[in-house]
Amino acid sequence: DARVTQTPRHKVTEMGQEVTMRCQPILGHNTVFWYRQTMMQGLELLAYFRNRAPLDDSGMPKDRFSAEMPDATLATLKIQPSEPRDSAVYFCASGLVRKQAPTYGYTFGSGTRLTVV
Amino acid sequence: DQQVKQNSPSLSVQEGRISILNCDYTNSMFDYFLWYKKYPAEGPTFLISISSIKDKNEDGRFTVFLNKSAKHLSLHIVPSQPGDSAVYFCAASAGGETSGSRLTFGEGTQLTVNP
Repeated sequence: DARVTQTPRHKVTEMGQEVTMRCQPILGHNTVFWYRQTMMQGLELLAYFRNRAPLDDSGMPKDRFSAEMPDATLATLKIQPSEPRDSAVYFCASGLVRKQAPTYGYTFGSGTRLTVV
Repeated sequence: DQQVKQNSPSLSVQEGRISILNCDYTNSMFDYFLWYKKYPAEGPTFLISISSIKDKNEDGRFTVFLNKSAKHLSLHIVPSQPGDSAVYFCAASAGGETSGSRLTFGEGTQLTVNP
């Protein structure tokens, strides 16, 4: 059963430290999303990639967040420096997008729960 | 600006009865709508979707209705089961079901089905 793998599952860090979250999309999927879930905002899009190229990162605070896909099997989301307001659950999702074919939604990982103290 | 809104944070129903979850959207460009279900400590899982060219899509116990003029969609679960207890997210995208566009999510509704 193919799934999206996120590491770590939990991360507690001190304010000002760098945090890196990793995502292994489903093999063959060409589209990867990073979402953040907070109590107040629900699920908000941070960035997404198609064939490893960034399509939209407008939801991401550029001064401290960065998202990359070094290769097709790895997506990373980095926060430097981290702040308490970054505490949230970060989800990665992937999907196969093809012309003339419905996507039927994307597959989400189990998330990384980040706590910045 | 919340383009997709789920106004009910929670809903409680009896097992065997119908659950109706509602969602409203404001962006006229949205033309593909999805429902996701989320259990604690897990990621959302895709449940059912509907394209704007339809007004109803059914999959087993789950039916999604779309009212484009009212910019409203709803998810019906019949009959409801205790295992359906989860947070349900409504999501929308523009560009159709093949575009692979970003999804804009609502805030979620916690459904509790009581035995």
